[in-house]
Amino acid sequence: AQSVTQLDSQVPVFEEAPVELRCNYSSSVSVYLFWYVQYPNQGLQLLLKYLSGSTLVESINGFEAEFNKSQTSFHLRKPSVHISDTAEYFCAVSAQTNSGYSTLTFGKGTMLLVSP
Amino acid sequence: EAGVVQSPRYKIIEKKQPVAFWCNPISGHNTLYWYRQNLGQGPELLIRYENEEAVDDSQLPKDRFSAERLKGVDSTLKIQPAELGDSAVYLCASSLLNRETQYFGPGTRLLVL
Repeated sequence: AQSVTQLDSQVPVFEEAPVELRCNYSSSVSVYLFWYVQYPNQGLQLLLKYLSGSTLVESINGFEAEFNKSQTSFHLRKPSVHISDTAEYFCAVSAQTNSGYSTLTFGKGTMLLVSP
Repeated sequence: EAGVVQSPRYKIIEKKQPVAFWCNPISGHNTLYWYRQNLGQGPELLIRYENEEAVDDSQLPKDRFSAERLKGVDSTLKIQPAELGDSAVYLCASSLLNRETQYFGPGTRLLVL
């Protein structure tokens, strides 16, 4: 079975400052990794994903995450945040299996609070 | 292309009453998921369908929860009777068959009084 740990439940940051949201996972097999974002009263939107290849993946709105197998981490970073980035961010893992993949296991989420 | 559609968006009921949620996945997506998201938590899978077959319902509380996807397209999740602890957001997601990326609907926020 897989598990995901998001170490921070809330991360307050000022606008234009850099931010890192931490995610560690546990799995006995190879994994796919995801970051989802949830704005207030909305569903989850896929932000970025790691399936294979380059360990650094980027989103269209300036976020990036790096898969670190040795540290079993997939931290999310952005060099300069905007007010509009205020949302809850969920890290999720899916294990690779013979039939394709397992279902998603989510972390508890990190609330990013950006203030002016 | 339309995303995953869910209705209703909000529902308030008294305990012991029944409630049903509806989901229409993205066109062409064979796999459909129902998740429950409790306050301050990440989503937890209730059931996964591949076409009309429930391939993983191990986390569905079968004494009061039921789900169906009769024609392999839209799906209904039902709770009967509802309990106070069922208050949560119920999320539907869909994906192409054997693909790892899921797309989520806006959810139904249930409050049981």
